[in-house]
Amino acid sequence: DVKVTQSSRYLVKRTGEKVFLECVQDMDHENMFWYRQDPGLGLRLIYFSYDVKMKEKGDIPEGYSVSREKKERFSLILESASTNQTSMYLCASASGQPTGETQYFGPGTRLLVL
Amino acid sequence: AQKVTQAQTEISVVEKEDVTLDCVYETRDTTYYLFWYKQPPSGELVFLIRRNSFDEQNEISGRYSWNFQKSTSSFNFTITASQVVDSAVYFCALSVPAGGSQGNLIFGKGTKLSVKP
Repeated sequence: DVKVTQSSRYLVKRTGEKVFLECVQDMDHENMFWYRQDPGLGLRLIYFSYDVKMKEKGDIPEGYSVSREKKERFSLILESASTNQTSMYLCASASGQPTGETQYFGPGTRLLVL
Repeated sequence: AQKVTQAQTEISVVEKEDVTLDCVYETRDTTYYLFWYKQPPSGELVFLIRRNSFDEQNEISGRYSWNFQKSTSSFNFTITASQVVDSAVYFCALSVPAGGSQGNLIFGKGTKLSVKP
């Protein structure tokens, strides 16, 4: 079974803090993704990566950066957290071509920025 | 442009009822993929099914079935004899390899299903 894990299920941070969300997959997948999920807005893609050290902007990259130093790990970074970044963050991974393949999701991190 | 519409925001049924969740998609491409995911209260999105645009066969998996109709651009999901454990938010998603979305998943807004005992 594909397993995608995220470092925290719940996180509370202060405005202005630097926040790291970690995602690890154990299936040797080439592609990894970060989404945020908000009520009424559904899931929106923040960044994705199709190879180590490669990254591509998604639909809402502003205020975020990512890092992929190893194939199995994809980190989402909030350089200076703001209250409008309070959200559910979901990581996913997929094999092969970055299009059309099934994405497998982690359990999500609920981030609250005070 | 690609788009996925799940017109039903919330559905409530009583256990053992059948329920159909609607999904309508938009794309001009001939090659695309459709997905359904389930998100229980715990938050994790669970993959249910993937369909490519050239395979219009309906699929049945236990109490779950999917009806793919290209003529109406729909990919509906039916749960037969619903159970309380089916309570979740269900998402339909589209991936178009050649599309402007870079082939990534385009999600509908989701349908929240509540199954009452």
